[in-house]
Amino acid sequence: ETGVTQTPRHLVMGMTNKKSLKCEQHLGHNAMYWYKQSAKKPLELMFVYSLEERVENNSVPSRFSPECPNSSHLFLHLHTLQPEDSALYLCASSQDTSGIYEQYFGPGTRLTVT
Amino acid sequence: QKEVEQNSGPLSVPEGAIASLNCTYSDRVSQSFFWYRQYSGKSPELIMSIYSNGDKEDGRFTAQLNKASQYVSLLIRDSQPSDSATYLCAVRSGGSNYKLTFGKGTLLTVNP
Repeated sequence: ETGVTQTPRHLVMGMTNKKSLKCEQHLGHNAMYWYKQSAKKPLELMFVYSLEERVENNSVPSRFSPECPNSSHLFLHLHTLQPEDSALYLCASSQDTSGIYEQYFGPGTRLTVT
Repeated sequence: QKEVEQNSGPLSVPEGAIASLNCTYSDRVSQSFFWYRQYSGKSPELIMSIYSNGDKEDGRFTAQLNKASQYVSLLIRDSQPSDSATYLCAVRSGGSNYKLTFGKGTLLTVNP
């Protein structure tokens, strides 16, 4: 266990549904990240938060909406997704965004959009 | 666009052999280089980082960096079946402290 938990681990949703992914880190870190991992594609950085402030929005469609209420919790709100959004969504955290410290990944949420 | 290229494999080696995983990157100002291991159905786990030209050894793992050739590699000595996983190369460019660009990964299979 890395100290980063994600729920749910698996999610199937229709294109008209609204759902949320949750990430929690128990490491006392100040930076949190959302990544998308699709089959046959590299890991893609989606969002970065530093001390609850968003510092990166990597050209992600607005149907993905992140929320960081405090430095330990990160959410990804999903609505009107497309089948091509089916992927593994990984949360990560690090001590800060300086780049000096390792990013620790959670186990991921396997999302299927039908 | 900054890219990180890896041979997708699968790379198959017998138990006890040396596995050699390669990665090239396009951004010349890249500063930091990482190897992550990802078991099937699991999340990536950092196994090596390297920042300067040359070799860095940690147990059975050796990372090699050649910035002039924009090339980084990972050698796994005395490969074990438990090393069977996908190995992801990640590069942090000089333009961002925290942003990692990942390759697609190389699937390694170590046969008993």
